[in-house]
Amino acid sequence: ETGVTQTPRHLVMGMTNKKSLKCEQHLGHNAMYWYKQSAKKPLELMFVYSLEERVENNSVPSRFSPECPNSSHLFLHLHTLQPEDSALYLCASSRTSPGQGADIQYFGAGTRLSVL
Amino acid sequence: KQEVTQIPAALSVPEGENLVLNCSFTDSAIYNLQWFRQDPGKGLTSLLLIQSSQREQTSGRLNASLDKSSGRSTLYIAASQPGDSATYLCALKGQGGSEKLVFGKGTKLTVNP
Repeated sequence: ETGVTQTPRHLVMGMTNKKSLKCEQHLGHNAMYWYKQSAKKPLELMFVYSLEERVENNSVPSRFSPECPNSSHLFLHLHTLQPEDSALYLCASSRTSPGQGADIQYFGAGTRLSVL
Repeated sequence: KQEVTQIPAALSVPEGENLVLNCSFTDSAIYNLQWFRQDPGKGLTSLLLIQSSQREQTSGRLNASLDKSSGRSTLYIAASQPGDSATYLCALKGQGGSEKLVFGKGTKLTVNP
């Protein structure tokens, strides 16, 4: 148990559905991340939130919409996804300090998403 | 653009053997390097973090080294056990303030009893 909880663990959705992934951490961290892990590809960073502000968006299509209402919660809203979006979506959190950057990232178990 | 390569992609060893996993990177301007472990269907667990100014880090049976000049890091596992079976990922954080970690594809390790 890393202290980062993701729900749901598994999700199957059609291309016209709207769904949301949830991530919650109670580690007192102030930075949160969304990653995508596809088969046979390296883990890819999607979004970074630091102090509830989005600080990085790595050219992610607009059908993925992140939301960070507070430092403990992070959402990824999904809309009109494509089959190639099927992957393991991982959330992570860390402590970050101005001028020092982020400390070790702690990962959740992920949401296995299948888009039909 | 930083690229991280992990070789081999898969490794199978008998229990008790000492082994080395390799990670190479193209840009030596790194802030730190991390080794992670990922069990099937699970998230990542951080094993060791090496700052750019350090040469190695040790935790129990694990030892990670960093040679920035040659663009290489190794993860040494002593006296391997079946419970060490997992995929091991290397990830780099670059200089310049970005929080982005660049990951390799990982080495899938199987330790046979």
